[in-house]
Amino acid sequence: DAKTTQPNSMESNEEEPVHLPCNHSTISGTDYIHWYRQLPSQGPEYVIHGLTSNVNNRMASLAIAEDRKSSTLILHRATLRDAAVYYCILRGFGGSQGNLIFGKGTKLSVKP
Amino acid sequence: GAVVSQHPSRVICKSGTSVKIECRSLDFQATTMFWYRQFPKQSLMLMATSNEGSKATYEQGVEKDKFLINHASLTLSTLTVTSAHPEDSSFYICSASPVAGQETQYFGPGTRLLVL
Repeated sequence: DAKTTQPNSMESNEEEPVHLPCNHSTISGTDYIHWYRQLPSQGPEYVIHGLTSNVNNRMASLAIAEDRKSSTLILHRATLRDAAVYYCILRGFGGSQGNLIFGKGTKLSVKP
Repeated sequence: GAVVSQHPSRVICKSGTSVKIECRSLDFQATTMFWYRQFPKQSLMLMATSNEGSKATYEQGVEKDKFLINHASLTLSTLTVTSAHPEDSSFYICSASPVAGQETQYFGPGTRLLVL
């Protein structure tokens, strides 16, 4: 299975941008890069996903390296509500390739 | 957006009893639903994949006779923990993928099970 590597934890100040890195050097050509986050005692929440091009939505931006071996989730202005564990996950197509396999993620703390 | 609900949100039971957890997709149809388990301070672990109208596919190490999964309709999947023991105490989370789009999974709020 393709795996991802993320820092265990990161800290940010409120109202400042946050860049959460993810390495996925063994990514295959058909793997999508997904980001989910999990607030304490809640189920994960979809954040964003992409294949090759950078992506933007109302929650965040996803910057994907040209060789696709790494990506960065960008929260443009962190709020206290963004404190969560952020998971970077590779997801393929078909059968078990479509399963989400969660790693340990990055625990983001946001200071007021 | 797509909403997935779980019931109950928390349950306490005695050792040896069975507990049923429901997972519903409220505003979309889900061909596939997934069940995860999460122990304190750990990540989510996929237990099984549930396809509507067919038998669930269990991950290695997950006992299919202990964790019974039924996916009777496109909006409902149930997980029954049979003969629960204290080591089954955990946070159980389901997710669902819409029929029309496979790219995103939507997660339920989770069910916290405590077995005494």
